[in-house]
Amino acid sequence: DQQVKQNSPSLSVQEGRISILNCDYTNSMFDYFLWYKKYPAEGPTFLISISSIKDKNEDGRFTVFLNKSAKHLSLHIVPSQPGDSAVYFCAADSGATNKLIFGTGTLLAVQP
Amino acid sequence: GAGVSQSPSNKVTEKGKDVELRCDPISGHTALYWYRQRLGQGLEFLIYFQGNSAPDKSGLPSDRFSAERTGESVSTLTIQRTQQEDSAVYLCASSLLAGGYNEQFFGPGTRLTVL
Repeated sequence: DQQVKQNSPSLSVQEGRISILNCDYTNSMFDYFLWYKKYPAEGPTFLISISSIKDKNEDGRFTVFLNKSAKHLSLHIVPSQPGDSAVYFCAADSGATNKLIFGTGTLLAVQP
Repeated sequence: GAGVSQSPSNKVTEKGKDVELRCDPISGHTALYWYRQRLGQGLEFLIYFQGNSAPDKSGLPSDRFSAERTGESVSTLTIQRTQQEDSAVYLCASSLLAGGYNEQFFGPGTRLTVL
């Protein structure tokens, strides 16, 4: 039972354009969401997060949007840069279990 | 400062053998997590430690998997009688405190291949 889903395994975007990565979840108890970025042969690194009391959080070129009614969140990267090419994982936490549930990841390729 | 380190970085073993994977968390981090990532899949939670105790072992796939942590520091994940489906990258993470609100810092992982 996949509680956090990233339905797009890959995404290709031109440099300078917007990248939009999507994530859906099924558990309404999730109240905190995170995005991690992973380069090959490295561990994931934290990128940005959002609490369920918000619908948007922005950090530089990265913005995360949360739609609780749709159980959907998205990560926007604008403008996209070649160095953004990586696998992006969405993760969720219910606060009660002290563990993150990760999606399967989306491989973003930013073409120069 | 030093990040999370894991050893070995790569391990190739024969089916039926036991393996031990080691994780050195960031000093002072009380929470430690083990995940695995099988090919084409996401990160799968295995177990987490708060201090030296493991409140949640629910992710361990079978009784062949066990983990311990000593001195609120180093953790070892042991897989007994390895099977080919155990092949994966095993990732360790640590955080200052337990809970998703506390950023987890990941190590580079151990790539385990069971022949």
